[in-house]
Amino acid sequence: EDQVTQSPEALRLQEGESSSLNCSYTVSGLRGLFWYRQDPGKGPEFLFTLYSAGEEKEKERLKATLTKKESFLHITAPKPEDSATYLCAVQARGGGSNYKLTFGKGTLLTVNP
Amino acid sequence: GAVVSQHPSWVICKSGTSVKIECRSLDFQATTMFWYRQFPKQSLMLMATSNEGSKATYEQGVEKDKFLINHASLTLSTLTVTSAHPEDSSFYICSASVAGGPIDTDTQYFGPGTRLTVL
Repeated sequence: EDQVTQSPEALRLQEGESSSLNCSYTVSGLRGLFWYRQDPGKGPEFLFTLYSAGEEKEKERLKATLTKKESFLHITAPKPEDSATYLCAVQARGGGSNYKLTFGKGTLLTVNP
Repeated sequence: GAVVSQHPSWVICKSGTSVKIECRSLDFQATTMFWYRQFPKQSLMLMATSNEGSKATYEQGVEKDKFLINHASLTLSTLTVTSAHPEDSSFYICSASVAGGPIDTDTQYFGPGTRLTVL
């Protein structure tokens, strides 16, 4: 069974204080690892897809990296508007045309001004 | 690009009634649509997967006769909660993806969600 564990559950940062969120996973053949951002009362917003170990992707203050066992979401000099829940999800190979996502519980990030 | 809408955004209904939620992909044709449920402070739980013109595939523990899914076209899927009860109150979110082709096309794009409250 595919499993995704995110840590920490919650993280408080001061504006400008860089940090990283962790996503550990076990999956029977990784097809892709996804990062989403979810604001309260909203659906998840797609951020990144990573497909193979060593891959990195960046978007503004966010950078996602991937190893064979975990992924990190690095946040550089965060701003209050970066406050949200960040969700990690894995997609396994062999899913046919319906590649399901298995989600972690998320990390609630709060950035104080 | 890759915009998914849901309607309604919130609904309140009486116990025993049925509620229909629509999910539309606005600027792409979705090969597959997914329905999730999210309880407060918890992550998304997949309920079912549907392909256009086919019967939905339900996850273990999800009652297919209670949660009716219709995927009538490449841009529209509906979830009907039949004979709703208070325990069905939750945040329902759909997503849509396109299979095959360029690698990113299996990414799931999510709608804004529908808050269902059953009194």
